[in-house]
Amino acid sequence: GQSLEQPSEVTAVEGAIVQINCTYQTSGFYGLSWYQQHDGGAPTFLSYNALDGLEETGRFSSFLSRSDSYGYLLLQELQMKDSASYFCAVSSPRGSARQLTFGSGTQLTVLP
Amino acid sequence: DSGVTQTPKHLITATGQRVTLRCSPRSGDLSVYWYQQSLDQGLQFLIQYYNGEERAKGNILERFSAQQFPDLHSELNLSSLELGDSALYFCASSVGEAGGSEQFFGPGTRLTVL
Repeated sequence: GQSLEQPSEVTAVEGAIVQINCTYQTSGFYGLSWYQQHDGGAPTFLSYNALDGLEETGRFSSFLSRSDSYGYLLLQELQMKDSASYFCAVSSPRGSARQLTFGSGTQLTVLP
Repeated sequence: DSGVTQTPKHLITATGQRVTLRCSPRSGDLSVYWYQQSLDQGLQFLIQYYNGEERAKGNILERFSAQQFPDLHSELNLSSLELGDSALYFCASSVGEAGGSEQFFGPGTRLTVL
């Protein structure tokens, strides 16, 4: 089966940098995704890493180390609107298809 | 707006009842996924359809079933409802049948079972 671990809560101040870690155990691995979800809203895609290394998209970066079964999401120049839940998700084989298994989410609170 | 639509937005029903949730994927997307999100929980994958065929099954209860129609919209049927079925149900879609990379989520249906 698949299991993912990420911190349940993180707090930071506006303008700061925060890193949300994710470790995973999976049988078969295609890649690691990150999704953002504001309270009661739809999850929205942030990034996807299939290969080791850092992917940068504006203020957000995502890192993957396949050998360590570890990834992180880095948020820079934090803004109040970044307060949300962040989910890592592993893409892995399920039969002849692929499925996404989500972690339990990290609630990020950005303080003024 | 992701382009994925879900109806209804809210649903309140009683235990033992049956409900149907509806999802229309983004134009051009062939895959539809259903997820359940209980209070303060992550997203639990239920089932995936690709171009009308079931492709992958997750932790979907036997009381739940789904299908994807020729016009690619999908319905999730929940029967013999229990209090514990109260949750947000999300539908997502993607272009291909791969369950990785980017999925586009609808606004969700909030189901309350009383």
